[in-house]
Amino acid sequence: AQSVTQLGSHVSVSEGALVLLRCNYSSSVPPYLFWYVQYPNQGLQLLLKYTTGATLVKGINGFEAEFKKSETSFHLTKPSAHMSDAAEYFCAVSSDSGTYKYIFGTGTRLKVLA
Amino acid sequence: DADVTQTPRNRITKTGKRIMLECSQTKGHDRMYWYRQDPGLGLQLIYYSFDVKDINKGEISDGYSVSRQAQAKFSLSLESAIPNQTALYFCATSSGASGELFFGEGSRLTVL
Repeated sequence: AQSVTQLGSHVSVSEGALVLLRCNYSSSVPPYLFWYVQYPNQGLQLLLKYTTGATLVKGINGFEAEFKKSETSFHLTKPSAHMSDAAEYFCAVSSDSGTYKYIFGTGTRLKVLA
Repeated sequence: DADVTQTPRNRITKTGKRIMLECSQTKGHDRMYWYRQDPGLGLQLIYYSFDVKDINKGEISDGYSVSRQAQAKFSLSLESAIPNQTALYFCATSSGASGELFFGEGSRLTVL
């Protein structure tokens, strides 16, 4: 079975500061990993994904994440937070094994302080 | 027009009523999903379908049913709504396990 753990349901950073949102996964098969962002009253949209190949993945809006198999992690970072980054962020895992089906973490709400 | 369209966007109903949430997509994807979002719980999978003749239960299918009327249409029904089904419901599509999910804008359901 697969699972995702996001540490910290709420994270606050100052504008211009580093953003770090943590995601750890559990998977017995090679995972596909995703970060999604949800703005108020909207659906989720993809920030970035890891499938195979390069472990450092760059996404939209200056975000990036690094797949670390030894740590079973896929943390999301952005060097400098912007007010428009305030949203809820979800990490998700899927795989080619079985009939899958994406599993989501419980989300991290990012607040950006002026 | 949105690639994944959900109707209605908002619905208030009473306990015991039958409710249908509809989803249509223009992505041409075979895979469609229904998720439920509750604060602090993330997204939980209700049902998913990999083609018109393939319907699978997700983590929280009790109290829900679905119908895949066509490749582009996937409906979620609550046969007899109860208050703890008050939530935000999302339909999504994908081309495969390594592909991203494309979400609708959500249907907010309130059961009184």
